[in-house]
Amino acid sequence: DIQMTQSPSSLSASVGDRVTITCRASQSISNFLNWYQQKPGKAPELLIFAASSLHRGVPSRFSGSGSGTDFTLTISSLQPEDFATYSCQHTYSTPPTFGQGTKVEIK
Amino acid sequence: QLQLQESGPGLVKPSETLSLTCTVSGASISIDNNYWGWIRQPPGKGLEWIASIYYSGSTYYNPSLESRVTISVDTSKNQFSLKLSSVTAADTAMYYCARIVTDGGYSDYDYWGQGTLVTVSS
Repeated sequence: DIQMTQSPSSLSASVGDRVTITCRASQSISNFLNWYQQKPGKAPELLIFAASSLHRGVPSRFSGSGSGTDFTLTISSLQPEDFATYSCQHTYSTPPTFGQGTKVEIK
Repeated sequence: QLQLQESGPGLVKPSETLSLTCTVSGASISIDNNYWGWIRQPPGKGLEWIASIYYSGSTYYNPSLESRVTISVDTSKNQFSLKLSSVTAADTAMYYCARIVTDGGYSDYDYWGQGTLVTVSS
């Protein structure tokens, strides 16, 4: 299985901050990489697919980049509704696996 | 608006079989390039893909669970189901169903059910 490792596992930030989360794959996955946002008690929601394509309805302050093994999710200006856990997922091969999640907390 | 809803027992005894159904509304389950999947999340842990199915009946399983898992689809009811046998406490988790849209080799899990918590305990 391809292992997905996110860093950091958690971070504290303030409204308006620029936030960057990284995801590293144990082998090259091209750009077969999705990002999800999950709020407590809720299902994950797709933010970004194909590493850098914004899912419909997702605010433009979210962006994704990367290819191969290293990927980044950036929130350009953190909003109150963005405090949540973010997870990456590869879909390069079976089984698709997820990162362990990065919890973004209020500073 | 597409909606998915999981249903099934919230408590299962060890060694028994966990059975869940996902009812899809707002769209047909028999749409090309739409797969349907189960994903679980143990309390406080990350997400784990369990299995996926196409309306034709083609199935895909996580090798780590394959010996215990069966996924099936009922197009007449617009539902798909999961069975996980010989459960242990390690199978305690929130179970989600999701739509998986494929396009150009990419797979987007774009609609999810609200999830159902299954606890394995005697």
